[in-house]
This record gives sequence, structure tokens and C-alpha cells, in this order.
Amino acid sequence: EIVMTQSPATLSVSPGDRAALSCRASQSVSSYLAWYLQKSGQAPRLLIYGASTRATGIPGRFSGSGSGTEFTLTISSLQSEDFAVYYCQQYNSWPYTFGQGTKVEIK
Amino acid sequence: EVRLVESGGGLVQPGGSLRLSCAASGFTFSSYWMHWVRQTPGKGLVWVSYIKSDGSGTNYADSVKGRFTISRDNAKNTLYLQMNSLRAEDTAVYYCVRDPYLGFDIWGQGTVVTVSS
Repeated sequence: EIVMTQSPATLSVSPGDRAALSCRASQSVSSYLAWYLQKSGQAPRLLIYGASTRATGIPGRFSGSGSGTEFTLTISSLQSEDFAVYYCQQYNSWPYTFGQGTKVEIK
Repeated sequence: EVRLVESGGGLVQPGGSLRLSCAASGFTFSSYWMHWVRQTPGKGLVWVSYIKSDGSGTNYADSVKGRFTISRDNAKNTLYLQMNSLRAEDTAVYYCVRDPYLGFDIWGQGTVVTVSS
């Protein structure tokens, strides 16, 4: 099973600032990496797939990069609605696995 | 509107059974692989099972293999998860999820399963 490790666990950021979230895979997942955002009491929402492609309706301030084992989700200018928990997921091999999440909170 | 709506969760005793349902609307259900994913505060998001678009293939997480069965009725646009021999560690929010081979793009609102005596 591929283990996905996200860092940091919590990121304190001011509105308007840039945030960079990291996700590391225990073995290569090529570009089969997705990012999700989850707000309290809601289901996760797909942000990025294929490591760098924004899902439908996702604003341009979200960008993804990386391949193999190292990935980054960057939010260029945090808006109030972006404070939430972010998860990465590999869908290269079974079982598909998720990271433990990074909580982005208001500084 | 593309939508997934789960139902069937509840409180069940250890060793008991539940059947979850997921009603799909707003898209061609029979064209997509579908999954169940569960979430707990302790273990986070965990993939549980998938079923291919025509029901010809399934797969399960080791933790539920032999106890859970995924199925679908494409005529009724509905996904199911039959859960038997339930354990306390199966307590979670269960999500029905659509898979277009580009990540999980549509999630239901989730249904809560609590296994407790």
C-alpha cells in the first residue's frame, strides 16, 4: 500500500497570503495525484487531478505541481472560503490512498 | 444538477448488518466506475470499495473484504453497499463517489454508520 504523507499538519496563514502544501508518496505514483478541499461538515471537493489540472469550476489561485513522489498544492492568495482541510490522494495503484490532511487556518 | 445522495446509515450492534444506498442523478450513471469511501476522525479518508461501470468487476479494502459487498443497479441509477459482520471500527461517515478516472469528482453528502452496543 502506498502511504501518502502531508505536511505540515496545520498551516497558519493570513488572508491574501500564499500557501504551499506538501504531499509525499512512499513510492512513485507518476502524475496520478489528486487534491481535495473539505470544509467542516461537508464532503471533500476535487480541486486538482493529474497532479496539476484544475477540476471544473476551481479558481486559478489553486495550482498543483510535482510528479513521482513529491507534490505541492499552492494557493496564491488565500480567500476566506479557502480555510479548510486539504487532502491528497494517489490513484496510481490499489488501494487508492489519501494523506492525513493539512488544515489551513487563519493566522 | 449532478448529484449523489446516500441513505441507509444508522446505529447497529456489533455483528449486525446494514445496506447503504446511493441514488445518482444528473449524469449517465452506467458510464462511471463508482466507489465507497469512509471517513473517521482517527483514520481520515479511507477507500472502501469500487465497482466498474457495468458491474463486471469489484475490489475491496482488506479491512472489509469478505464482509462488505458492493453492487449497482444501472436501471435504477443506484449504488449499494451491503455491510455484514459489522465491527466498531467500521463506524464512520460513508461517502458514495463518482470516478471519471481523473480523481473522485463527485461526492455524496455522506451517511453516518455507528456500530455500538
